[in-house]
Amino acid sequence: NAGVTQTPKFRVLKTGQSMTLLCAQDMNHEYMYWYRQDPGMGLRLIHYSVGEGTTAKGEVPDGYNVSRLKKQNFLLGLESAAPSQTSVYFCASSYRRGRGTEAFFGQGTRLTVV
Amino acid sequence: SQELEQSPQSLIVQEGKNLTINCTSSKTLYGLYWYKQKYGEGLIFLMMLQKGGEEKSHEKITAKLDEKKQQSSLHITASQPSHAGIYLCGAELSGNTGKLIFGQGTTLQVKP
Repeated sequence: NAGVTQTPKFRVLKTGQSMTLLCAQDMNHEYMYWYRQDPGMGLRLIHYSVGEGTTAKGEVPDGYNVSRLKKQNFLLGLESAAPSQTSVYFCASSYRRGRGTEAFFGQGTRLTVV
Repeated sequence: SQELEQSPQSLIVQEGKNLTINCTSSKTLYGLYWYKQKYGEGLIFLMMLQKGGEEKSHEKITAKLDEKKQQSSLHITASQPSHAGIYLCGAELSGNTGKLIFGQGTTLQVKP
C-alpha cells in the first residue's frame, strides 16, 4: 500500500521561482492537509481540505495556494518562492474526523529557496 | 501552534528513567493525537484520545486526556534509546471542522 506519497522529495529553488508540490493518497480519505516544519516550531498548518473541490486556510497560508480537484490529490503551490519558505513540507490525509481516526503522513519534501 | 503548547520543548534523560510530556490548550480539545518523529523522517501515529479522562497505553508509553479535555500528558516508563525523537501533539480545537493543528514538539534524547 502506497499510503500518502509526496512528490518531489527534495527541491532547490531560486528566489522568485514557482513550483507545485503534489500529495497523493490511495486510502479514499476525505481530509487532506499541508504542513510546514521548521526547527523548534513543530508542524504549522498551511492549508487543508475537507473534501474534493474544497480548501481552507490554516495557520500560515500566506505565499501558498492549494487545489483539490481530485479526491486523491492535494496540490500545494508556491507562486514566487522566498527564502522564508525554506522548510520541510508534510502532507497528511485522514478519514472524516468524526470517526476519530488518525492522520497519515507522507515522508516530507525538503525545499530550499536560495 | 500557540494554541497548543507543549512542555518541555526538549528533554534529556538517562536510559531507564521515566518522563512526562505535556500538551496544553486554552480551548476544549476535540480529539487529541500523539505522534513521534525520528529526525528527517515522517510522523508515526502513537495514540488518539477523545473522551475526558481517557487513558491509553502502548508498550511503555501512556497517554491521558484530562477530565476538562484541555490537557494531555504522555508518559514514558523506563525510557530506552529507541524512544528518542520528536513528540508532537495534535488536536482540533473547534469541534469537528477538520482543522488539525499541532504543538511545537518536544525533542527527547535518551542517554545510554
